[in-house]
Amino acid sequence: AQSVTQLGSHVSVSEGALVLLRCNYSSSVPPYLFWYVQYPNQGLQLLLKYTSAATLVKGINGFEAEFKKSETSFHLTKPSAHMSDAAEYFCAVSAWGSQGNLIFGKGTKLSVKP
Amino acid sequence: GAGVSQSPSNKVTEKGKDVELRCDPISGHTALYWYRQSLGQGLEFLIYFQGNSAPDKSGLPSDRFSAERTGGSVSTLTIQRTQQEDSAVYLCASSSGTSVQETQYFGPGTRLLVL
Repeated sequence: AQSVTQLGSHVSVSEGALVLLRCNYSSSVPPYLFWYVQYPNQGLQLLLKYTSAATLVKGINGFEAEFKKSETSFHLTKPSAHMSDAAEYFCAVSAWGSQGNLIFGKGTKLSVKP
Repeated sequence: GAGVSQSPSNKVTEKGKDVELRCDPISGHTALYWYRQSLGQGLEFLIYFQGNSAPDKSGLPSDRFSAERTGGSVSTLTIQRTQQEDSAVYLCASSSGTSVQETQYFGPGTRLLVL
C-alpha cells in the first residue's frame, strides 16, 4: 500500500524566507508524486508532479521539489516566500497499477508573516 | 476554459435526510473522481469513474454512499440517511485519461453540514 507523511501540520515563515515543506512517501513500486495547493475556500490546484523523469521538478509560482529515492522524500521548496503563498499544501502519491486515485498526506498549512 | 464545477457550494441538512451533490467535469475528460475532505480524516478517495467502465467504489465508506455518472459526463454523489460524521467538503476532480501521470483538476467542492 502507498502512503505519504507530511511532517508539520503548520509551518510559519517570514516573507522573503525559504519555504520548506516536508513529504515522505511509502511505496513498494516506483511512485508518482504530486504537490497540490489549496487556497481558502477553493479547490486543489496542482503545483508540480514527479513522473520518473527529472528528479528535480519545477512547478508554478516558483516552487520546486526534489525526488530522493534513498530518503523516500519529495520535499517542496521555494527560495523566497511571498504573502500570497499562504495556503494549505498537500503531498500525494499515485502508484503504478492504480487507476489514478491519489492518496494524500494530511496537509501542511503555511503562514507567511510580513 | 471552464474548469470543474460543483453544486451546491454549501449544503446544510438534517440528520437522516438524503443529499445529492453534483459535479460537472471539464469537457472531454474521461476520468472523474470524488474525494472527501474532513478535519479528522484529511483527503480521502471515494469513487472513480473512467469512461463507460464500472466505477471503482473501493473508497466509499458505507453503503449509504453511492454515485453515478450519466452519459460519461455529469456525476452525482448521493448520501442516504446522512449522519453527522458525513459533514465534510466533497471534492470532485477530472482528468483527461487513465494514466497515473495525468493531472487531476479539482472543483471548488461542496461543503456539507449535517445537523
